[in-house]
Amino acid sequence: SYVLTQPPSVSVAPGKTAIITCGGNSIADKSVHWYQLKPGQAPVLVMFYHSDRPTGIPDRFSGSDSGNTATLTISRVEAGDEADYYCQVWDTKRDQGVFGGGTKLTVL
Amino acid sequence: QVQLVQSGAEVTKPGASVKVSCKASGYTFTSYDIHWVRQAAGQGLEWMGWMNPSSGNTGYAEKFQGRVTLTRNNSIRTAYMELSSLRSEDTAIYYCARVRPAMNAFLDPWGQGTLVTVAS
Repeated sequence: SYVLTQPPSVSVAPGKTAIITCGGNSIADKSVHWYQLKPGQAPVLVMFYHSDRPTGIPDRFSGSDSGNTATLTISRVEAGDEADYYCQVWDTKRDQGVFGGGTKLTVL
Repeated sequence: QVQLVQSGAEVTKPGASVKVSCKASGYTFTSYDIHWVRQAAGQGLEWMGWMNPSSGNTGYAEKFQGRVTLTRNNSIRTAYMELSSLRSEDTAIYYCARVRPAMNAFLDPWGQGTLVTVAS
């Protein structure tokens, strides 16, 4: 099965840049989506098709990919960005969705 | 605005079944798929399956094959997820989400989640 690997945690000071990675075999060839999950709230789409931002998501959020790694970058991090972030792709061979294990972003 | 509203929390026993509903508003219900995802306490997101409200076609994650059934009632714009033979490990928040019926599409928006607790 297709596996996505994320670091369990990332910590960053306010105003700095957070980089959250998502590793997968030839992930750059897939469509990668990113979700933000805060306690007690529904998940929110923050990036789709690698680097497209939904309406309402600040331009501090950006996405990129290369080879086996997709990256979600959050610039000028704010306290409100503290959340769990998940990457997601579609495993076309098994015709099912796949999520990474999630990364907890802590704003120091 | 596009919204998915799920049914309330459920407490049920091992071996029983649970059925969670997801009511859609703000868009044409039959034009988008509904996917289901769950999150157990302290765990990550886990994709369970999808349903196309127009055709009724479904697809399930291998892990849940035979235990999960996705259905819908188009007249009331509502999708359902039924999980059977429940065990304590099925205690989780269950989410529905809208997905454009296209290859590699994304989940947006999501329902608010339904907590299902399985305990004897």
